[in-house]
Amino acid sequence: DAGVIQSPRHEVTEMGQEVTLRCKPISGHNSLFWYRQTMMRGLELLIYFNNNVPIDDSGMPEDRFSAKMPNASFSTLKIQPSEPRDSAVYFCASSRLYSGGRGTGELFFGEGSRLTVL
Amino acid sequence: AQKVTQAQTEISVVEKEDVTLDCVYETRDTTYYLFWYKQPPSGELVFLIRRNSFDEQNEISGRYSWNFQKSTSSFNFTITASQVVDSAVYFCALSEGAYNTDKLIFGTGTRLQVFP
Repeated sequence: DAGVIQSPRHEVTEMGQEVTLRCKPISGHNSLFWYRQTMMRGLELLIYFNNNVPIDDSGMPEDRFSAKMPNASFSTLKIQPSEPRDSAVYFCASSRLYSGGRGTGELFFGEGSRLTVL
Repeated sequence: AQKVTQAQTEISVVEKEDVTLDCVYETRDTTYYLFWYKQPPSGELVFLIRRNSFDEQNEISGRYSWNFQKSTSSFNFTITASQVVDSAVYFCALSEGAYNTDKLIFGTGTRLQVFP
């Protein structure tokens, strides 16, 4: 079975450019998470969706960051304009909710998108 | 506020040694879940275990074992007879409440290096 698929795996861009990261969750999973990993701050939850609806975006750093989930099989995380401090590995993860909307905490992670902003 | 502390930044052992990774958590909730994830060199995090706050039984899975003690707010992870393939970064995580199980707060991780 295919796992969580993220693209691109590596992105190098210049400050001010728009960056779009993409994620395809595991088929049948109805929760999707975006995490950011840096040496300084560790793993931070940016936003998560249940059934394509954003539930908690309190971790999104600022207005330059936006995330969408137009359907159950696709999500994007956009940074516009990008800054050097956005350099990090961005992980997408998905999970399955029980009926009633409860999760299990077992998240399936993609391999991450390593972003470098010069 | 919830918090997870992994005081050990990096641990190095020689193959076949036992190693314990420490995890201390803070939460005001009476219902919560604790997790361990492994991040191998390939990058993706892999789920290892989940415990809920009402189940303090220790768990063993092969060479892995977990010790949950509410009295000390700790959820430690022991690898017995470590192997080179165990080399990875290990994260402890916490989620609060009965319905936010998937909203995980991670510790800063412990990098384990197992040398042959």
